[in-house]
Amino acid sequence: QSALTQPASVSGSPGQSITISCAGTSSDVGGYNYVSWYQQYPGKAPKLMIYDVSDRPSGVSNRFSGSKSGNTASLTISGLQAEDEADYYCNSYTSSSTPYVFGTGTKVTVL
Amino acid sequence: EVQLVESGGGLVQPGGSLRLSCAASGFTFTNYWMSWVRQAPGKGLEWVANIGQDGSDRNYVDSVKGRFTIFRDNAKKSLYLQMNSLRAEDTAVYYCARHGPATKSQSFDPWGQGTLVTVSS
Repeated sequence: QSALTQPASVSGSPGQSITISCAGTSSDVGGYNYVSWYQQYPGKAPKLMIYDVSDRPSGVSNRFSGSKSGNTASLTISGLQAEDEADYYCNSYTSSSTPYVFGTGTKVTVL
Repeated sequence: EVQLVESGGGLVQPGGSLRLSCAASGFTFTNYWMSWVRQAPGKGLEWVANIGQDGSDRNYVDSVKGRFTIFRDNAKKSLYLQMNSLRAEDTAVYYCARHGPATKSQSFDPWGQGTLVTVSS
């Protein structure tokens, strides 16, 4: 099971919106509505930001939103803030022998 | 407050064994699937294994099948990962994670702080 494909880096200025893509296949992203997104600061544990493609856990800012089209999921951060600078990983349930696969990770830089 | 605290990491020689523990608190442990996820130094996240509520269902990533065993003690509200025949490529921070936010979720929330496993001679 190969990792889902994410851009290595995405950047934006404060206040702008950015979108991170997560490309998979019909066996994972495209086949299930079980895509989740995680934010990770250096040296810290990941934090769930989006689950089931577009749902936000309690306490997560509504500046974070998720969507999916075909085999590609996306995380959009609106009104970019300095505190959003972190690594972001997508994850999907899969039909393979390994039931979960993470994306390659994207470093978000706030200019 | 929901909390997961890992322990048991350390330095081990190739071919050696190590057992990781994860103590859970703040939620009904028996209602949730649990997973281990690892992150090699400077690398991305890799899902390793998970276990169902009563311990009867277990899944593993192909690279650890036959070497790692996940198990739980619901009376102690604890999750474990027994790692045998360790290889250099198993070097990573190992995170314990609850499947959440709901009991049937296919996502991971919350995560523990992680414990570092280093396999080296």
